[in-house]
Parts: sequence; C-alpha cells; structure tokens
Amino acid sequence: EVQLVEAGGDLVQPGGSLRLSCEASGFIFSHYWMHWVRQAPGKGLVWVSRINSDGSNITYADSVKGRITISRDNAKSTVYLEMNSLRVDDTAIYFCARGMSGSPWLDPWGQGTPVTVSA
Amino acid sequence: QSVLTQPPSASETPGQGVSISCSGSSSNIGKNYVYWYQQLPGTAPKIVIYKTNHRPSGVPDRFSASKSGTSASLAISGLRSEDEADYYCAVWDDSLSSPVFGGGTKLTVL
Repeated sequence: EVQLVEAGGDLVQPGGSLRLSCEASGFIFSHYWMHWVRQAPGKGLVWVSRINSDGSNITYADSVKGRITISRDNAKSTVYLEMNSLRVDDTAIYFCARGMSGSPWLDPWGQGTPVTVSA
Repeated sequence: QSVLTQPPSASETPGQGVSISCSGSSSNIGKNYVYWYQQLPGTAPKIVIYKTNHRPSGVPDRFSASKSGTSASLAISGLRSEDEADYYCAVWDDSLSSPVFGGGTKLTVL
C-alpha cells in the first residue's frame, strides 16, 4: 500500500523552529517529487514547497521563502520540512504528498501533522 | 487571495446535479491541465479528476469535468450524501512555476 506518514507537528512560540518529517512506503521514493501543502484552520489548501527526486531542484511559495527548507533522505524514504522564524499565520495542518514534475498531481497525501504557533 | 477563483459554497438535493466553477488565467488554466480534489471532513484531499477530464479508478462516473479558455468546471450528477465535501481545483501556473489551488467550494447535499 502506498502510504505517507507525517510527524513532528507541535505547539511552538512565535519565532520558534520546527522540523516536520514525512515517511513514505509502498513505492520507490527516489523516483518521485515530493510536496508539502498546508491548510490553516477552516481555510483552503495552500501549496508550500516541492523537491525533485534527487533533491537538486527545490521550489518554495513566496509566503515561506527564506524561512522554510525542504530536504529529503532517499535512503530513509523521508522528506523533511524545516521551519524557522515561525509566525502565527503559519498555524496549519501540514500535508506531504507525492507528486510529479510540472504538475499539480498529488497522490497520495499523508494524514497531515498540526503546527500551532502561539504565545 | 487564491490565484484560482471558486465559489465558496454550493448546495443541491440528493439525486440532482451540481457544477462547481474554477476561474484562472492564461498562465494556468489557459495553458495547463486542471485537477480536482475532494476533501471529506477531517481527512486528507483525494484526486477525483486529473488532466482536466479523467477520473482515477474508483471515482464514480457521476463525476465529470471540463475546461474552456481560462475556466474549468467540475460536475457531479446524481448527488449522494457522501459527496458532501470541500472541492478544490488545482493547476500548474507557468508564471509562478508552482502548482496553485483554488480557494475551495464547500458542497452541501441538502
């Protein structure tokens, strides 16, 4: 079964840092792009970042550029999202998803991990 | 403010049909395939339409979609209670070099 499992979400103070992880199973992880998408409480989906199969091509949404770093470890079938200088408006469920180059095809998605930024 | 514009809500009675629109621009819908995601309450999104008008296996043929110019639409016929969900359009944006989502449409089956 193709599966993605996120972890690492937590309550953190404004200005703090957090590292999310997403472990994949059931497919050849090193063959796929991986994406992070977030959803603030009661709001819609917002694309955050993507990384290609070998980690050499990375893109970020303007809203997180400079504060967030995506990376991957193909040996561990895991993609990471390092978040720094967290703001209240970063509060959201963070989903990882398997993707393809130049496409919004995202399948499957993980169950999501909640990040709450609050004093 | 989403790059793609969807109506925030739609509603219809069971057995009827509904259409959800998604408006974009020449840098996204005008050039690229449109995808539609269904998000049931408390769950992760799931693809129901890919490459503008294709259904993944397991998605009922009650779901269909189309595109014209810089707009797209998702149609659901024979509505059932289990179709009640949030629906998002998504497309690659050539100007942003990233995927973009619509703001989502909450479908209520009355």
